[in-house]
This record gives sequence, structure tokens and C-alpha cells, in this order.
Amino acid sequence: AQSVAQPEDQVNVAEGNPLTVKCTYSVSGNPYLFWYVQYPNRGLQFLLKYITGDNLVKGSYGFEAEFNKSQTSFHLKKPSALVSDSALYFCAVRPSMIKAAGNKLTFGGGTRVLVKP
Amino acid sequence: DVKVTQSSRYLVKRTGEKVFLECVQDMDHENMFWYRQDPGLGLRLIYFSYDVKMKEKGDIPEGYSVSREKKERFSLILESASTNQTSMYLCASSIAGARGYTFGSGTRLTVV
Repeated sequence: AQSVAQPEDQVNVAEGNPLTVKCTYSVSGNPYLFWYVQYPNRGLQFLLKYITGDNLVKGSYGFEAEFNKSQTSFHLKKPSALVSDSALYFCAVRPSMIKAAGNKLTFGGGTRVLVKP
Repeated sequence: DVKVTQSSRYLVKRTGEKVFLECVQDMDHENMFWYRQDPGLGLRLIYFSYDVKMKEKGDIPEGYSVSREKKERFSLILESASTNQTSMYLCASSIAGARGYTFGSGTRLTVV
């Protein structure tokens, strides 16, 4: 069974400082990895994904994530955080092998990011 | 862009009521999903459907059922609502073989 761990319930960072949100995963075979962001009382918005190729993936709003196969990690990063980045962040994984029925993503528990001015 | 629409943003129901949560997508996606979101637990899959009239149980199907009579619509049914079903419910859709989902804005259900 696949699983995702986000070890930090909350990350606090000062505006302008680097932001890192951690994610480790477990899946059979090669993974497809995703980051989503959720603002209050809203659905999830796609940030970025790793499918294949370069281990460093760039996404929306200046975010990037680094795939590390040996450490089974996919940490989300932003070089300089903004107050508007304060939100709930979810990491998700699914196996790359396509199944006939559905392509279920498994989500982590979420990490709340608070960026202080 | 794909749009996934959930019919209600906020809903308050009484214990024992039958509750219908509706989700519609406008891009002919094969796959549709219902998740519930609770603090500290992340998103947990309730049911999903990969075709019209097809459904599969997710991780927490107890107390729920689903209906997919048309490709664009996926309904979640709480047969007899209970207070422990108070939660945020998120619908998502994707094409077959897709590499990610598109989510609706969510329905916050309170059962009193």
C-alpha cells in the first residue's frame, strides 16, 4: 500500500526567509508525486508534480520541489516566503504504473505554513 | 480549464437525515473521487468511480454510498447522517491515466 508522511503539522517562517515543507513517501515501483495547496475554506489547488526527468521540479507561485529517490522524499521549497503563502500544503503520491480502474492519489496529513511579516 | 463544481459550500443537517452531496465536472473526465478532510488526518478517500455506473470503495466507505448515473455527475450519499460525519467533503476528477486531479471548492457539512 502507498503512503505519504508529512512530519510537521506546522511550519513557521519569517517573510523573506526560505521555506521548506517536508514529505516522504512509500509506493510500489516508481512514483508520481504532487504538491497541492489549500487556502481557507477552499478546495485544493495544484502546485507542481514530478513524473520523470529532472529531480528538481518548478511549479506555480515560485515553488519548487526536489525528488530524492534514495531518501524517498519530495520536499517543497520556496527561496523567499511571502505572507500570502500562508496556507495548508498537501503532498500526494501514486504509482506510475497505470491501472485500468482509477488512479488513486494518497495524500499526506498536511502541513500548515504560517509566514509572519 | 477543467471546472469541478460542488453544489453547496456549507450545509447543516440533522442526525438521521439522508444527505446528498453533488459534484459536477465539465471536461468529460472518466474518474471522479470523493474525499473527506479532517484536521490532522489529511484527505481520506471515501469512494471513487472510473466510469458511469461503476464505483469502488475507498479507505473509509462506511456510512456512505455513491451514485454515478451520468459521466459528469458523481453524488455522495449519507444514508443516515451522524455527528461523526461532520467534515469537509472534497470532490475531484481526472482523465483515465491522468497524473493529477482537479478539485472542487469543497462542501463543509455540519451534522447536528
